[in-house]
Amino acid sequence: EDKVVQSPLSLVVHEGDTVTLNCSYEVTNFRSLLWYKQEKKAPTFLFMLTSSGIEKKSGRLSSILDKKELFSILNITATQTGDSAVYLCAVDGGQPKLAFGTGTRLTIIP
Amino acid sequence: NAGVTQTPKFRILKIGQSMTLQCTQDMNHNYMYWYRQDPGMGLKLIYYSVGAGITDKGEVPNGYNVSRSTTEDFPLRLELAAPSQTSVYFCASSSRTHSGNTIYFGEGSWLTVV
Repeated sequence: EDKVVQSPLSLVVHEGDTVTLNCSYEVTNFRSLLWYKQEKKAPTFLFMLTSSGIEKKSGRLSSILDKKELFSILNITATQTGDSAVYLCAVDGGQPKLAFGTGTRLTIIP
Repeated sequence: NAGVTQTPKFRILKIGQSMTLQCTQDMNHNYMYWYRQDPGMGLKLIYYSVGAGITDKGEVPNGYNVSRSTTEDFPLRLELAAPSQTSVYFCASSSRTHSGNTIYFGEGSWLTVV
């Protein structure tokens, strides 16, 4: 069974700090790793990383994939209060369903 | 820009009642999913479907039923509601392409069973 573990479970930082969120995985037939942001409603898609694209960047958010060590990190620089959310990591193992981690709850203090 | 649409957004049910959560998507995705998320917890897959006429159980299917008569619609039926089914329910859809399988979520349905 595919498995995704995220750490830390929660994180509290001050506005302007840089944070790193971790996601490790075990999957039989890796296709891609996805990051989602969940505020008070539904998860929204951030990034997909595949074997052919191991680094993605969008503004202050960036993510890398280490296929050898089976993990990914999501970096957020110069954090803002709007970054407060639960960040979910999911892995596509080739099946219709993704394997989701339980998420990291990030709180940004003004 | 509809995407995945769920109804109702909020509902209070009495123990033992039944109801159907509606879900429709306009992206022509072949895969559809129902998740539940309890407060402070992760997503748990209830049922999923890879196409019209095909459904499969996820991690927590007990107490629920689904059907997929069309590509667009994937309703979730709760029979004999129990307090343990108080949760937020998310419908989602995706389509596997050469790029991968990105799941897109509906806005959620908040259900309370009293």
